[in-house]
Amino acid sequence: DAKTTQPTSMDCAEGRAANLPCNHSTISGNEYVYWYRQIHSQGPQYIIHGLKNNETNEMASLIITEDRKSSTLILPHATLRDTAVYYCIVRVEEYGGATNKLIFGTGTLLAVQP
Amino acid sequence: NAGVTQTPKFRVLKTGQSMTLLCAQDMNHEYMYWYRQDPGMGLRLIHYSVGEGTTAKGEVPDGYNVSRLKKQNFLLGLESAAPSQTSVYFCASSYVRGGVNTEAFFGQGTRLTVV
Repeated sequence: DAKTTQPTSMDCAEGRAANLPCNHSTISGNEYVYWYRQIHSQGPQYIIHGLKNNETNEMASLIITEDRKSSTLILPHATLRDTAVYYCIVRVEEYGGATNKLIFGTGTLLAVQP
Repeated sequence: NAGVTQTPKFRVLKTGQSMTLLCAQDMNHEYMYWYRQDPGMGLRLIHYSVGEGTTAKGEVPDGYNVSRLKKQNFLLGLESAAPSQTSVYFCASSYVRGGVNTEAFFGQGTRLTVV
């Protein structure tokens, strides 16, 4: 089972920041937090990942709490094309970290409103 | 650079028929995965492979077999299709860089209907 908890759905106004929360209270010290999104029924798309420090790339920012029990994905200026299901995933470690077995939950449907 | 390519994109099977889904990646990735996604659900891992010639079971492996004879290809087989296997199937690949796993790259999916 996925070890994350996300709200089922969220709305965001176009141009505003979208803040998507995720709880992962059972995360272990060497597990990364990954975020993916799925637009319509396309293949999931990688957004960002992190271990303990906050991360930023051209798509989004990832804020991880100090105790690592929760995180927030931030889309700084949401557009209509950001409407998608967003998955927060804790990567399962195996073979000393040499695999990337991602276990998906049901995610958060983000609806960006015009 | 095509990334991850799945063949076919759509298929309708009759109950009891067999078929093979092909996943090909041109990124020289070590790891490959097969997922299924049912309506309104997240993706569930069927089988995965950590290298050529190796495979392992995921969350929902029953009714499926896989093979990784070549590094770039990962085949998913349905020996005797059942209506419960109606789903969208996604393939993905990834690699390790500097001891850290990279992101997974996904194909566009195969929509399979078993009647």
